[in-house]
Amino acid sequence: GENVEQHPSTLSVQEGDSAVIKCTYSDSASNYFPWYKQELGKRPQLIIDIRSNVGEKKDQRIAVTLNKTAKHFSLHITETQPEDSAVYFCAASRGFGGGSQGNLIFGKGTKLSVKP
Amino acid sequence: GAVVSQHPSWVICKSGTSVKIECRSLDFQATTMFWYRQFPKQSLMLMATSNEGSKATYEQGVEKDKFLINHASLTLSTLTVTSAHPEDSSFYICSARDIGGLAKNIQYFGAGTRLSVL
Repeated sequence: GENVEQHPSTLSVQEGDSAVIKCTYSDSASNYFPWYKQELGKRPQLIIDIRSNVGEKKDQRIAVTLNKTAKHFSLHITETQPEDSAVYFCAASRGFGGGSQGNLIFGKGTKLSVKP
Repeated sequence: GAVVSQHPSWVICKSGTSVKIECRSLDFQATTMFWYRQFPKQSLMLMATSNEGSKATYEQGVEKDKFLINHASLTLSTLTVTSAHPEDSSFYICSARDIGGLAKNIQYFGAGTRLSVL
């Protein structure tokens, strides 16, 4: 089955710097890659996602890149702010269909700390 | 985005009792909902996939007789932790998958339920 590796597990940056979190996946059939942000004690919130038919997607200060050949995708946050501090999870799935095809397989998470 | 309501948000129970957690999709229909367990500072561990109108699919190592799942309608799934023990204490989160239109396959999460078994 799918296996998602996420690095680093913790990341500390100064306010204004950029942060990059990387994930690799094992199932070449995976075609949907969302990123979730989870603040302490709260629900995971979808912040950006990418499908396998594109290589990059941007939304203001966040962007995601996908390299299907290498089977890795990355989250980029520019001009980081203290409120970006949270745990970020990447995930991969095959899209949806019968059985467990649409299940999201999550990485272990990255705790991002943005220091003022 | 779509809203998923989960309650209770926090429950304390005695060992041996059962606890029911509800997960509702408020503004979309969800044929599939998911139940996760999250330990402190760890990732989301998928426990089971809840399918409307059919039996849930449990992940390896998850006892289906202990974690009863019912998906009675397109907007409601429930997880019942039966005969709870202290080791069942954890943060349980549900999610619902929106399969409509541009939201295809996006999962929206509930706020989670913190279960403490004394």
